[in-house]
Amino acid sequence: EIVMTQSPATLSVSPGERATLSCRASQSVSSNLAWYQQKPGQAPRLLIYGASTRATGIPARFSGSGSGTEFTLTISSLQSEDFAVYYCQQYDNWPPITFGQGTRLEIK
Amino acid sequence: EVQLVESGGGLVQPGGSLRLSCAASGFTFSDHYMDWVRQAPGKGLEWVGLTRNKANTYTTEYAASVKGRFTISRDDSKNSLYLQMNSLKTEDTAVYYCARVGSSSSHYMDVWGKGTTVTVSS
Repeated sequence: EIVMTQSPATLSVSPGERATLSCRASQSVSSNLAWYQQKPGQAPRLLIYGASTRATGIPARFSGSGSGTEFTLTISSLQSEDFAVYYCQQYDNWPPITFGQGTRLEIK
Repeated sequence: EVQLVESGGGLVQPGGSLRLSCAASGFTFSDHYMDWVRQAPGKGLEWVGLTRNKANTYTTEYAASVKGRFTISRDDSKNSLYLQMNSLKTEDTAVYYCARVGSSSSHYMDVWGKGTTVTVSS
């Protein structure tokens, strides 16, 4: 089973600043990685797939990078609606599909 | 509008059974793999299992934590996905989401339902 580890667990950033979230895989997942955003009481929403491709309707301030075992989600200029929990998910080697434990992005 | 709507959640005693449903609309359901994902209170996302599409003979896969207790099925004629949960444990308490897999070759989940809550308690 591929273990996904996200860091940090909580990130405090001011609106308008850049946020950088990390995700590490226990073995290479090539570019088979997705990022999701989840707000309280809501279902997750797909942001990024293929490590760097934005999903339909996702603003350009969200970008993904990386391959192999190291991945980054960058939000270039934080808006109030971006404060949420973010999860990475690998789909290179499954089953099982595995998620990271999440990074909570909070207002500083 | 592409939509998934789960139903069937509720309170059940340990050892009991429950069947969840997921109604799909706005897309060609039969083309897609479908997942169940759950989230225990205050915890992260946990993949439960999937069903492949007709082209891949509707085969299923399960997480180790539910294998042998949960069964995923689908009815393409009704655009519906199901999760039969037997021998429920308190640790199965969670919000259960159904999700559409974006592509049979890339297993990311591009559409999610709002979830249905399952509580296992005596």
